[in-house]
Amino acid sequence: KAGVTQTPRYLIKTRGQQVTLSCSPISGHRSVSWYQQTPGQGLQFLFEYFSETQRNKGNFPGRFSGRQFSNSRSEMNVSTLELGDSALYLCASSPDWGEQYFGPGTRLTVT
Amino acid sequence: AQRVTQPEKLLSVFKGAPVELKCNYSYSGSPELFWYVQYSRQRLQLLLRHISRESIKGFTADLNKGETSFHLKKPFAQEEDSAMYYCALMAGSQGNLIFGKGTKLSVKP
Repeated sequence: KAGVTQTPRYLIKTRGQQVTLSCSPISGHRSVSWYQQTPGQGLQFLFEYFSETQRNKGNFPGRFSGRQFSNSRSEMNVSTLELGDSALYLCASSPDWGEQYFGPGTRLTVT
Repeated sequence: AQRVTQPEKLLSVFKGAPVELKCNYSYSGSPELFWYVQYSRQRLQLLLRHISRESIKGFTADLNKGETSFHLKKPFAQEEDSAMYYCALMAGSQGNLIFGKGTKLSVKP
């Protein structure tokens, strides 16, 4: 099976702009989770979607949002970008609950 | 609060030496614990899951509920084990992982 794919792999945006990141899970996986990875805070959970419904949410401001489509593909959106949003954004998929399989990440740089 | 603590940022050992990467967790229920590894320029990948009780690449980890620990061990380290190791907790019915800050293992020749 093909692994989790994320697009784009690299992105440079300006403060105040918004950005949309995409994640395609492993075929058959219905759960998609998003994480933010930074040198200072490490890996932090953003949100998880299962069958198009947000099932769980981390402690991030409302500027961070996501959605999942009927084919399990997921997108996350960050509005009004801040310098502190610069990070590696990881997507992970899972059949339902348990082991998660990670994508390569999208490196977002906010200038 | 649910929390995972990896006390060592960096662990350096010589090839052939035993290695132990420490992980302590805070969770009142029955946790499910994982070790993930990230080799240089590769994606994060699952190394071990405590319920499977498998040995992967010579690594083992035992859940100690009394000490709330899930330390990762290998009797003889290899240079290819050099990587970043993350301990993670999945709490209850939540579908997300809570990660420790990670330990960078460096195995010297």
